[in-house]
Amino acid sequence: QVQLVQSGAEVKTPGASAKISCKASGYTLTNHYTHWVRLAPGQGLEWMGTIDPSGSWTNSAQMFQDRVTMTRDLSTSTFYMELSSLTSDDTAVYYCAREAALAAKNFDYWGQGTLVTVSS
Amino acid sequence: QSALTQPASVSGSPGQSITISCTGTSSDVGTQKFVSWYQQHPGKAPKLIIYEGSKRPSGISNRFSGSKSGNTASLTISGLQAEDEADYYCCSFSTSDTSAYVFGSGTKVTVL
Repeated sequence: QVQLVQSGAEVKTPGASAKISCKASGYTLTNHYTHWVRLAPGQGLEWMGTIDPSGSWTNSAQMFQDRVTMTRDLSTSTFYMELSSLTSDDTAVYYCAREAALAAKNFDYWGQGTLVTVSS
Repeated sequence: QSALTQPASVSGSPGQSITISCTGTSSDVGTQKFVSWYQQHPGKAPKLIIYEGSKRPSGISNRFSGSKSGNTASLTISGLQAEDEADYYCCSFSTSDTSAYVFGSGTKVTVL
């Protein structure tokens, strides 16, 4: 069965970076885009960006463009999202999500979420 | 890119029907068939319940239905059940320069 298992909670100081992993199983990674979405306290879901099935192209929301790096390690079936220059506004639960199919533009499987807390 | 506009909360009694609206613009909901809806219980990951505006994934109850008119998409939950109490988010693919996808602000559904 399809599973996305994310790394554990992190506590970071302002200005630091956070790197979250998302290990995929149960499907062919090269057939699906993978997306990153976050949920900040009291806020709604927010799309951050995506990495394509080849792992060579990424697209991110303008507000994260300068700070987010999305990568993939095919040998371990693991996706990574690194967010730099953290502020307290980046305190949130971060999710990886699989796009259902090429050009489906919806997210059918989600990781369990990773809480990143930014505090001095 | 501003979030799609949803009511903050909607409530209903068991067995009733409720509808959640999701208003966007001509860059997203108004011109896109790729509108999806997600249910999220506290502390859990979001769950896809509607895609392409009105289609249900396998295993999703037919009590959930979606529609769209102009710049507004809607999710209707019929025969409301206690387990439907959750947060609901719409999402649309967007042609905006700022973000390829935009989510709604979220709606808390309370079963009275």
